[in-house]
Amino acid sequence: GAGVSQSPSNKVTEKGKDVELRCDPISGHTALYWYRQRLGQGLEFLIYFQGNSAPDKSGLPSDRFSAERTGESVSTLTIQRTQQEDSAVYLCASSYKLDSLYEQYFGPGTRLTVT
Amino acid sequence: KNEVEQSPQNLTAQEGEFITINCSYSVGISALHWLQQHPGGGIVSLFMLSSGKKKHGRLIATINIQEKHSSLHITASHPRDSAVYICAVGSQGGSEKLVFGKGTKLTVNP
Repeated sequence: GAGVSQSPSNKVTEKGKDVELRCDPISGHTALYWYRQRLGQGLEFLIYFQGNSAPDKSGLPSDRFSAERTGESVSTLTIQRTQQEDSAVYLCASSYKLDSLYEQYFGPGTRLTVT
Repeated sequence: KNEVEQSPQNLTAQEGEFITINCSYSVGISALHWLQQHPGGGIVSLFMLSSGKKKHGRLIATINIQEKHSSLHITASHPRDSAVYICAVGSQGGSEKLVFGKGTKLTVNP
């Protein structure tokens, strides 16, 4: 079946502009995660959604970052007033519960470049 | 100190060699994940385990909960195994968000 999809695949924006990144999870997956990977660095957690529960926003680096999720479907990550340090690959993952554990399926990512 | 430590950071092997990548963690976890990131950037989940050992083809993952340590083994390595292997742990009793190690870059030469 279809995997996790993300759009756009690449985004170049000028410093100070707002950007919106989209994630379409696998149908039926209740949990959705956003991660960030800066060039040459490891993955960082940003935000987590699980059903109708309040999202875990503990990884968002500043108040310029926000995310929404509509029910158990699409999610958007918005970065306002982008800065050069926001340049990274933004990865989305979705998961379902298997034997009380959550296996995560990753999307291809959106490569964001802030000039 | 990072919550998840991987070693080695880089590993070069000859085709056919047995590969071991290690991961140690310092927090309570619900599960440990081994991920593979290809040169193009795509991430694939290889294993998710909370105890014991799992095997899939030439890949074997083990975890020792008491020692907070996991290993990923690749038998009969092949150039197509060249990738970055990432250990990640899911936090206990909460969001299952992952905390990642910095990855091990594996290069298998023919």
